[in-house]
Amino acid sequence: GAGVSQSPSNKVTEKGKDVELRCDPISGHTALYWYRQRLGQGLEFLIYFQGNSAPDKSGLPSDRFSAERTGGSVSTLTIQRTQQEDSAVYLCASSLVGGSRYNSPLHFGNGTRLTVT
Amino acid sequence: KQEVTQIPAALSVPEGENLVLNCSFTDSAIYNLQWFRQDPGKGLTSLLLIQSSQREQTSGRLNASLDKSSGRSTLYIAASQPGDSATYLCAVEENFNKFYFGSGTKLNVKP
Repeated sequence: GAGVSQSPSNKVTEKGKDVELRCDPISGHTALYWYRQRLGQGLEFLIYFQGNSAPDKSGLPSDRFSAERTGGSVSTLTIQRTQQEDSAVYLCASSLVGGSRYNSPLHFGNGTRLTVT
Repeated sequence: KQEVTQIPAALSVPEGENLVLNCSFTDSAIYNLQWFRQDPGKGLTSLLLIQSSQREQTSGRLNASLDKSSGRSTLYIAASQPGDSATYLCAVEENFNKFYFGSGTKLNVKP
């Protein structure tokens, strides 16, 4: 079946504008993550959704960042009043959390490259 | 807080060489460790997942080992090929679905 899908693949926006990034996880995957990857750096955890539980927002860098997940499937990451330091690749991942968590590798989308000018 | 370190940051080898990439983590209370590959402009592709109770996993020319007590993992690539050129990242899962990533090793295999 299809993998994790993210859109848009590239987004250029002016400083101060709001942006929305979309993630379609693999069907049936109950866990969904957002990560940020700045140029030449590792992945920075942003937020984690698990089923209908309250999301783990501990990685969101400021209140300009928010995310939701509707119907336990599609997720949207919103960045308000974008700043130049928000420029990065935003990666979404999902995993199947079933009876055996140990066999639930992360599946990543290709990311959205955000450039704030 | 868990910290994951990967050494070296970059590696360039001629085609055909066997090579080892290193990953270390500070807190040994992990559930599993994964190795990923990232090609330029792409997301991450999972290569191998080692459960905390396992010592190694193999897939084709790749072999990953885990020494949880010492906080180390290695990814061994046999008979490297130019197509192996990519950035390799390791990640540990600590607590339920909490992943910590290293910053990666950028591998270049020269034809």
